[in-house]
Amino acid sequence: GENVEQHPSTLSVQEGDSAVIKCTYSDSASNYFPWYKQELGKRPQLIIDIRSNVGEKKDQRIAVTLNKTAKHFSLHITETQPEDSAVYFCAASKNYQLIWGAGTKLIIKP
Amino acid sequence: DADVTQTPRNRITKTGKRIMLECSQTKGHDRMYWYRQDPGLGLRLIYYSFDVKDINKGEISDGYSVSRQAQAKFSLSLESAIPNQTALYFCATRAGTGDNSPLHFGNGTRLTVT
Repeated sequence: GENVEQHPSTLSVQEGDSAVIKCTYSDSASNYFPWYKQELGKRPQLIIDIRSNVGEKKDQRIAVTLNKTAKHFSLHITETQPEDSAVYFCAASKNYQLIWGAGTKLIIKP
Repeated sequence: DADVTQTPRNRITKTGKRIMLECSQTKGHDRMYWYRQDPGLGLRLIYYSFDVKDINKGEISDGYSVSRQAQAKFSLSLESAIPNQTALYFCATRAGTGDNSPLHFGNGTRLTVT
């Protein structure tokens, strides 16, 4: 079955710097890769997603890249701000289910 | 997103008690899911339903049961709660029938079993 690994588990960056979170997946048939942000005590919310026929997608300060050959995808956040502090989850979709990474706690230092 | 509503928000119960967590949605989605979240383990799927007559086990269904009372309602039951079921539980919905749509989560139910 599908397995998703996410790294790092914790990431601390200076405000204004960029942050990169990486995920790898095992099943080449996976075709949809969303990223969720979960603020403390709140529900996970979709921030960006990418489908397997696309290599990169951007939305303002957030971008996701997908390398199907290597089976990995990454979340890039530029010009980080205090409100970016949260736990970020990647996931891979196959056979109508989402398989989740374990999450990355992003800390923005002032 | 208030379209997926979970009740209760918090619940403390004793070992051995039966408890039900409820989820209702106004999004009109056929697919509904129950997840459990533990620190450091991300989200794990308990049960999912593609319509009222279609219920499927997820990766950690032991000790849980579900009921899809209507398209809009999907309940999770713990028949005999145990302390290691203490966790944050999320209900979610998903649009369409394919693989390319996101999950929409409720606000979660924090369950503590003493």
